Amino acid sequence: DAGVTQSPTHLIKTRGQQVTLRCSPKSGHDTVSWYQQALGQGPQFIFQYYEEEERQRGNFPDRFSGHQFPNYSSELNVNALLLGDSALYLCASSNLAGGWDNEQFFGPGTRLTVL
Amino acid sequence: LAKTTQPISMDSYEGQEVNITCSHNNIATNDYITWYQQFPSQGPRFIIQGYKTKVTNEVASLFIPADRKSSTLSLPRVSLSDTAVYYCLVGDDSNFGNEKLTFGTGTRLTIIP
Repeated sequence: DAGVTQSPTHLIKTRGQQVTLRCSPKSGHDTVSWYQQALGQGPQFIFQYYEEEERQRGNFPDRFSGHQFPNYSSELNVNALLLGDSALYLCASSNLAGGWDNEQFFGPGTRLTVL
Repeated sequence: LAKTTQPISMDSYEGQEVNITCSHNNIATNDYITWYQQFPSQGPRFIIQGYKTKVTNEVASLFIPADRKSSTLSLPRVSLSDTAVYYCLVGDDSNFGNEKLTFGTGTRLTIIP
């Protein structure tokens, strides 16, 4: 049973470019959350998708957008990249429909470097 | 959301018991306390969750006093592989797994051989 997978592992972009990161949730999970983790900091919540819609959103600008597909996988898109967007981007999945006390499982992350 | 305060770093020798304390003075009645572990270049991993008194699993114990304004994660007989960052989180209901998680800067635990 595969856990949460993310691609690519590493990515290098230049300022102003756009990037798409991908996440496949753990088998049986229906909810995907995205987090940004700057070096030396804890992960910061970006947004969460359930039933192909954004369910919750953190304090991130509209440059950050996402999508969830019918198979529950998800993409994170970042437009007009800034140097400050360099971070580890983490995807976490959970089972919202499964009821209470459900753990969020994290993937290994995508390391984005903006030059 | 209740704010949490943890030591920035801790060192311990192999084989010792390690206790990491987290303060959460403004914890609400419905809040649960959850601890995550994160190794370098990996995502955080759930360790333990509790509401009050003591919770124990195969990895750790969590001690929560009656006033719930603090909690202590206890790792028995640590090894080098326990070197990681440990995060204390406070969530607003028992459906913790599906709500946004608010991480602080965590405690960087280094185990010394």
